[in-house]
Amino acid sequence: DGGITQSPKYLFRKEGQNVTLSCEQNLNHDAMYWYRQDPGQGLRLIYYSQIVNDFQKGDIAEGYSVSREKKESFPLTVTSAQKNPTAFYLCASSMIGQGGETQYFGPGTRLLVL
Amino acid sequence: GNSVTQMEGPVTLSEEAFLTINCTYTATGYPSLFWYVQYPGEGLQLLLKATKADDKGSNKGFEATYRKETTSFHLEKGSVQVSDSAVYFCALSLPNSGYSTLTFGKGTMLLVSP
Repeated sequence: DGGITQSPKYLFRKEGQNVTLSCEQNLNHDAMYWYRQDPGQGLRLIYYSQIVNDFQKGDIAEGYSVSREKKESFPLTVTSAQKNPTAFYLCASSMIGQGGETQYFGPGTRLLVL
Repeated sequence: GNSVTQMEGPVTLSEEAFLTINCTYTATGYPSLFWYVQYPGEGLQLLLKATKADDKGSNKGFEATYRKETTSFHLEKGSVQVSDSAVYFCALSLPNSGYSTLTFGKGTMLLVSP
């Protein structure tokens, strides 16, 4: 079955630690996205990418980094510079077209700070 | 800038009641409009979408009509079920070099009781 997988489901971070969230898709989509969800805040865009080895900052990129070495994969690293990392992180992917393309979401990773 | 405003929740209804969740938007250009649904602990699923004015999106008994004159995309369902309890997000996208980033509202929680 085609879809988006995210791992792990829960992730714990210690002070000063970098952690990496995995996102893989087998939908053959060119574009991939990372969102952060906080209670009552909706979703906010962290980074997005439309092609391998290229990505763009979203609205809240500070304290995060990404890579896009393969079309199927778009891992997100939450660095120690992100002072409030506790949130639900959602990865999405879409085709590239004329606009209005549907984004498909993974099941999410919940990040908690110890 | 672009923005989406949804009615605040929670919206509490009895089974078989009529549902309306209001959504209005501000955008430069001609956006595509979406409703996504999120069940507890899960990612987002596309519920319906509309890509141009006067289009009606529909799915699983839910409907929304793209009203350019009132910049609205209200979600309706004639008879809700307990299984419809979830958080509903209205979102817009504008074409940008062939791919589209989504701008979300803050979400509206729906609680349906038997």
